[in-house]
Amino acid sequence: ETGVTQSPTHLIKTRGQQVTLRCSSQSGHNTVSWYQQALGQGPQFIFQYYREEENGRGNFPPRFSGLQFPNYSSELNVNALELDDSALYLCASSPGRRGDTQYFGPGTRLTVL
Amino acid sequence: DAKTTQPPSMDCAEGRAANLPCNHSTISGNEYVYWYRQIHSQGPQYIIHGLKNNETNEMASLIITEDRKSSTLILPHATLRDTAVYYCIVRVFYNQGGKLIFGQGTELSVKP
Repeated sequence: ETGVTQSPTHLIKTRGQQVTLRCSSQSGHNTVSWYQQALGQGPQFIFQYYREEENGRGNFPPRFSGLQFPNYSSELNVNALELDDSALYLCASSPGRRGDTQYFGPGTRLTVL
Repeated sequence: DAKTTQPPSMDCAEGRAANLPCNHSTISGNEYVYWYRQIHSQGPQYIIHGLKNNETNEMASLIITEDRKSSTLILPHATLRDTAVYYCIVRVFYNQGGKLIFGQGTELSVKP
C-alpha cells in the first residue's frame, strides 16, 4: 500500500510568482487536507477537499486555492507569492471527511525570495 | 486557536518510559484527542487517538482523564529514534468536515 506522496520536495520561487504543489492520497482515501507549517510552528489548516469539492477552509486568503481530481489526488495553488508564504506545505489524506485519521505526506518545502 | 497546551520540551533517558502530558480543558464531548509526532520537519506521523477510554497500540498508550480535560501519551521504552516534536491535537468538526488544530507541541529529547 502506497502512502501519501507529494511533489516537488523543494521549490524556490520569487515574490509575485505562482506555484502549484501536488499530492497523491493514500489508496482508498477520498479526502485530502492541506496544511501550512512555518518554521518553528505547528501546522495550520488551509482547506480540505472531499470528492472533488472544497469541504472547509482555514484562515487563508483566496490566493490559496486547490483542486481535487477524480482519482482523489490534489493540487494546492498559491498566487502572488509573498515572503511569508515560505513554509513546509503538508498534505494529509483520510478515508472520510469527518471522523477519520489523517495521514500526512512528507511535505513540500517552499522558499519565496 | 489551539485547544491544547503542552510543555515546550522534555528529556527522557533511553529505555525509560516517556510520559508526555497535554491539557485540553475546553474539549467538547464529541472531539477526539490525537497524537502525532514530527521528526526533522518531515510530515507528522500518526501515533494514537482516543475519545474517552484509554487506548494502546504498538507505538504508545494514551491515558485520558475521566473529565477528559487532560491526557498523557506514554512511550513505554523510549529509544533515540523517538526524539521528535510530539503534538497533542483536538480534532475539530465543522460543517461536513474535520480538521486538526495543532499547537506548539513538546520537543522530546531521548538521551543515551
